[in-house]
Amino acid sequence: SQQGEEDPQALSIQEGENATMNCSYKTSINNLQWYRQNSGRGLVHLILIRSNEREKHSGRLRVTLDTSKKSSSLLITASRAADTASYFCATDSMNSGYSTLTFGKGTMLLVSP
Amino acid sequence: DADVTQTPRNRITKTGKRIMLECSQTKGHDRMYWYRQDPGLGLRLIYYSFDVKDINKGEISDGYSVSRQAQAKFSLSLESAIPNQTALYFCATSDYTGGVPNTGELFFGEGSRLTVL
Repeated sequence: SQQGEEDPQALSIQEGENATMNCSYKTSINNLQWYRQNSGRGLVHLILIRSNEREKHSGRLRVTLDTSKKSSSLLITASRAADTASYFCATDSMNSGYSTLTFGKGTMLLVSP
Repeated sequence: DADVTQTPRNRITKTGKRIMLECSQTKGHDRMYWYRQDPGLGLRLIYYSFDVKDINKGEISDGYSVSRQAQAKFSLSLESAIPNQTALYFCATSDYTGGVPNTGELFFGEGSRLTVL
């Protein structure tokens, strides 16, 4: 079953605008990660935020985590056409004594020049 | 060369055939994973292995088997392929971060696209 659910499913913006994607999850987590996937390619790790952190930055990326609401957001500032991709959140939680990542269904971002 | 290599990259096969997808890594990671991606469903975990002697079922292991031949190699088999196993398959690796069990960054291969007719 899916742990994380991204919202919106698809997002279309112009270059230079900011893009915000949200992720909600159901059970307690060790950490939450965001990944990017260019069409048909392998996923690439963007950022990891631990359960005791509230905000993290990496370049033009800003991730927030609200464990009380079981939600996270990914903000991409000053978007570029090259940011066009699918973005997935993944939650790290315990399963039968093991920690594994469970992915959401993703947000497709289209950035137009 | 890629850190995580999957072969084949594309495969078309018929119902009932046995298929093996192979994954090799040069990252020196102990943990390896097989995920399946279907349009609109995201990635779902099939099997994972935390070392050579450790194999665990994921969310959707029925119809699949795996073999961890060495630290660097983890293969996925479909004993008798069926059309609903048509999907994009990803191998991934991660390092053990120590302390409280948790999963760090996953490193993905480029995927193996399987079509079962």
